Amino acid sequence: GNSVTQMEGPVTLSEEAFLTINCTYTATGYPSLFWYVQYPGEGLQLLLKATKADDKGSNKGFEATYRKETTSFHLEKGSVQVSDSAVYFCALSAIGTASKLTFGTGTRLQVTL
Amino acid sequence: DTGVSQNPRHKITKRGQNVTFRCDPISEHNRLYWYRQTLGQGPEFLTYFQNEAQLEKSRLLSDRFSAERPKGSFSTLEIQRTEQGDSAMYLCASSSLQGGQPQHFGDGTRLSIL
Repeated sequence: GNSVTQMEGPVTLSEEAFLTINCTYTATGYPSLFWYVQYPGEGLQLLLKATKADDKGSNKGFEATYRKETTSFHLEKGSVQVSDSAVYFCALSAIGTASKLTFGTGTRLQVTL
Repeated sequence: DTGVSQNPRHKITKRGQNVTFRCDPISEHNRLYWYRQTLGQGPEFLTYFQNEAQLEKSRLLSDRFSAERPKGSFSTLEIQRTEQGDSAMYLCASSSLQGGQPQHFGDGTRLSIL
């Protein structure tokens, strides 16, 4: 079946540090890939997406590249801010599944001054 | 675009009681999804509707759970005879029919079973 594996958290970084959150997936065909973010007390918000191999999704300084050869979609940001503290979820939507999402377990990011 | 709205935000009930949650999707979205999220985990798919038709149900959705979307607009999720294990955040999302389009999530309903 389809699955998503994320690096375990929490990830604790100082402000302006470089961020990488690893995400790998298993799916039939070529799924669409997403990163969602959940700030404390709020619902899930779409951060970025990529729908085919070698696509790069980007938003708010975050980037992720769809790597078919390594079945990965790692999230990166060059310089994190305290306001980026949240839980980040990698997710996929497989072909023929009416876009239902399969999520990873989430990675909590804590950014300190 | 007012976003996906879920009510109530929080529900506390005694074991064995029935509960019902409501979701109002983004108005032009044909697809509506329900997910369940437990502490420290990612959301898990429960069921989805395309317009008023319920097209798929997860094996997680026991016979105590029922969902409806009677006019293809808002949806309700009912849990009968609640159990401790039903305590979770119940998330609703909606999307358009176009393939690869992202789902937009509501803030969820947090259910606590005493």
